[in-house]
Amino acid sequence: QVQLQQSGPGLVKPSQTLSLTCAISGDSVSSNSAAWNWIRQSPSRGLEWLGRTYYRSKWYNDYALSVKSRITINPDTSKNQFSLQLNSVTPEDTAVYYCARDTNFQYFHHWGQGTLVTVSS
Amino acid sequence: DIQMTQSPSSLSASVGDRVTITCRASQSISTYLNWFQQRPGKAPQLLIYSASSLQSGVPSRFSGSGSGTDFTLTISSLQPEDFATYYCQQSYNTPRTFGQGTKVEIK
Repeated sequence: QVQLQQSGPGLVKPSQTLSLTCAISGDSVSSNSAAWNWIRQSPSRGLEWLGRTYYRSKWYNDYALSVKSRITINPDTSKNQFSLQLNSVTPEDTAVYYCARDTNFQYFHHWGQGTLVTVSS
Repeated sequence: DIQMTQSPSSLSASVGDRVTITCRASQSISTYLNWFQQRPGKAPQLLIYSASSLQSGVPSRFSGSGSGTDFTLTISSLQPEDFATYYCQQSYNTPRTFGQGTKVEIK
């Protein structure tokens, strides 16, 4: 059974970097049939897909244009996890952030528990 | 980006009612459409994938249909645990996009 466990701070100051980690159990971050995603949810923006990383003989990343200049999603094979970094945050980045596994690029089957991140000084 | 539009945004229904939620894509997405249920404070849970395939463990009162741009989620007989918010989501291309949600409330 795949489980995703998120960790990271719930409060980030404006202009700083938001960093979250998603630890994977029951699967491998290097799986050839999965992609590892970050999604956020806020009242103003709803559910918003931010990006993904996946391994198909080499590592790939896809990012939403809305955050492409500020986002990095990295796999960590030694710890079987992946991370989100979002730079230069503003209060508009305040949201619940989820990591999620998708199967064969088709559906988000497994989700982390969610982390409320508030951007405030 | 593909825009996903759900209707209605909210509805009130009674236990035992048949409920239908629609989702329209701004362009054809074949059957690359998924449905999620979200309860307050919880992550979304997959109900239906590929427009009409029931996810393992999901009660058979949930069903999905449609292709191209128009899709439907039906709950055949609403149960107390079904009061939640429902989202559609396209997996045709990136960026993955979601509908704005339909909140199902108790009448």
